[in-house]
Amino acid sequence: GQQLNQSPQSMFIQEGEDVSMNCTSSSIFNTWLWYKQDPGEGPVLLIALYKAGELTSNGRLTAQFGITRKDSFLNISASIPSDVGIYFCAGYTNTGTASKLTFGTGTRLQVTL
Amino acid sequence: KAGVTQTPRYLIKTRGQQVTLSCSPISGHRSVSWYQQTPGQGLQFLFEYFSETQRNKGNFPGRFSGRQFSNSRSEMNVSTLELGDSALYLCASSFSFGQPQHFGDGTRLSIL
Repeated sequence: GQQLNQSPQSMFIQEGEDVSMNCTSSSIFNTWLWYKQDPGEGPVLLIALYKAGELTSNGRLTAQFGITRKDSFLNISASIPSDVGIYFCAGYTNTGTASKLTFGTGTRLQVTL
Repeated sequence: KAGVTQTPRYLIKTRGQQVTLSCSPISGHRSVSWYQQTPGQGLQFLFEYFSETQRNKGNFPGRFSGRQFSNSRSEMNVSTLELGDSALYLCASSFSFGQPQHFGDGTRLSIL
């Protein structure tokens, strides 16, 4: 099945550092979503982006919907140990009578003290 | 506000058996979608239900089926289980099409 290209695949950073990850697609999406998944749990929604060029923040997280509607990035500022987990981007296809999420391959983030 | 509830959390089956997984969406959410998560294929869309009707379907064989009840609760069924069906099955609900989907913690299915 289709997956979006997400990079980097994994990151090992120190506490307090800023993190940046991005997601690209060959298809256009109406909406971009970013999720975080911890071990043994389901993905938790972090940020939703609805318009091309939109820049949205949620605390230390900032995400942007690319102008071409084929990409998005997520930044985490001043990382802390609880930021550890797998981050997924998801492109949302919505026809008005049906919808589905296409997920990225994930970025595994590890934070050291 | 209760989140998406999936039962059971863990399940062990053998090849050839069938299994039914259950999902209770967030109260007021009418759209329920199912996803399969494996280390090799990542998160893959299975199907979406809205108002008891399947609205969208991913690229999975007919052994995978589902249904939605009038209270928006949904079940997913997999028949003639294969080893490759071992995965985390995730359910997500949203208020309607295009609204952000919220996930449950999944059912981990292991096939022996």
